[in-house]
Formats: sequence, structure tokens, C-alpha cells
Amino acid sequence: DTGVSQNPRHKITKRGQNVTFRCDPISEHNRLYWYRQTLGQGPEFLTYFQNEAQLEKSRLLSDRFSAERPKGSFSTLEIQRTEQGDSAMYLCASSLYVGFGEQFFGPGTRLTVL
Amino acid sequence: GESVGLHLPTLSVQEGDNSIINCAYSNSASDYFIWYKQESGKGPQFIIDIRSNMDKRQGQRVTVLLNKTVKHLSLQIAATQPGDSAVYFCAENWSNAGKSTFGDGTTLTVKP
Repeated sequence: DTGVSQNPRHKITKRGQNVTFRCDPISEHNRLYWYRQTLGQGPEFLTYFQNEAQLEKSRLLSDRFSAERPKGSFSTLEIQRTEQGDSAMYLCASSLYVGFGEQFFGPGTRLTVL
Repeated sequence: GESVGLHLPTLSVQEGDNSIINCAYSNSASDYFIWYKQESGKGPQFIIDIRSNMDKRQGQRVTVLLNKTVKHLSLQIAATQPGDSAVYFCAENWSNAGKSTFGDGTTLTVKP
């Protein structure tokens, strides 16, 4: 399968714990995006990378959230001290930046904070 | 089973009918628009896109119309099939920004 993959697919954690999600983009794609989606809503942008550089972060991304893409390939999204309001689907997408680029989405990681 | 102009959160159509899903976008500077289909438990899947220098683009069974004057986008699905049942989102981009801004979704249900 050469699509975008995300792990884990589901994560249940207790409030206050830290969690980390991984995204593996399509191999030749230089852009990688993180979105958050709550039930019944469209995805909301969190952050994106071009190669290893993080180019934009949403104001939605509090200090408890950090994302990395150390070698310009896979990316991790970490949430520290999780809160119940963090419960959502976390989606990763990648694209080949050529001005306009279709974003290919992974299946998402569903986070439940108890 | 059609709606024109107005965004509806849900749309129910009979199999074989044509469907029209509407979307209003917010940024007049947006120059690239995409329609995505999202099935339960999956990430959004690209359907069709259109650039702002066009007002219509056709794919296989799908057509996207863009009206920049009123900042309106629509997706037409011909001969709707049960496999088309999903949530449909429009998204807007502008060429200097990396992110997509998604609109409100429309849940399409196709009745056999």
C-alpha cells in the first residue's frame, strides 16, 4: 500500500497523559499536513511541513501540541497533558508541492481522552 | 433529490437520480478548490478540483461548478449510486498557503 499511513488507528488515554501519533506520507511527497476532525465537522488545519521545515501552525495548536518531521519523511504529533477536549480524529495528509497540490489523506488516528 | 444554491447538511436521493451538493466558501483570495468524499471511519478522499480561472470542470460522473461572484461551489453527481453515500466536503486553498480550509459537510444518502 503506497498511500498515507497513520499509527495507531485508535488511542484511548486518561486525562493528563501524553500521546504521540505517527504519520508516514507518500514517499515522494514533500508537504505533510496535520488536521483535527470532530464528529460532524470538517477537518480543521493544525500545522504543515515542507520537507523538515514547519511552515505554519494554527492558533488551534496550543503549547501542549508539538509536531516534528525530523528527516522530511515521517512526522509525529505529540499531545502533552491530554484533556477531554482533545478527543477527536487526527488526520494526516501529504502532497507534492507544485503550486497547487491535491492532498492525500490517511485513515486518521481516533483519540479518546477519558 | 436536488438542491440548488443552498447548503444542506443532509441530502437524500433515489438511486439513479442526479445529486447537487452546494458549498459557500469564505475567502475571495482562494484560487483552488477541492471536493472530498469521506466514508465512515476513513480519511477524506479527493474527488475533483477546480482552479479559480475556470468555472466548470467535469470528471467521471461528477462536475464541479464555481461561481466566484457569490463565492459558491457545487458538486453534481450524475446517476447517483449507493456507493456514493458518504459525507462530502468542499475545501478552499490559496496558492501561497499550504493548508486547506474545509466547509461544512453534506451527508449524502442514496436510497435503493
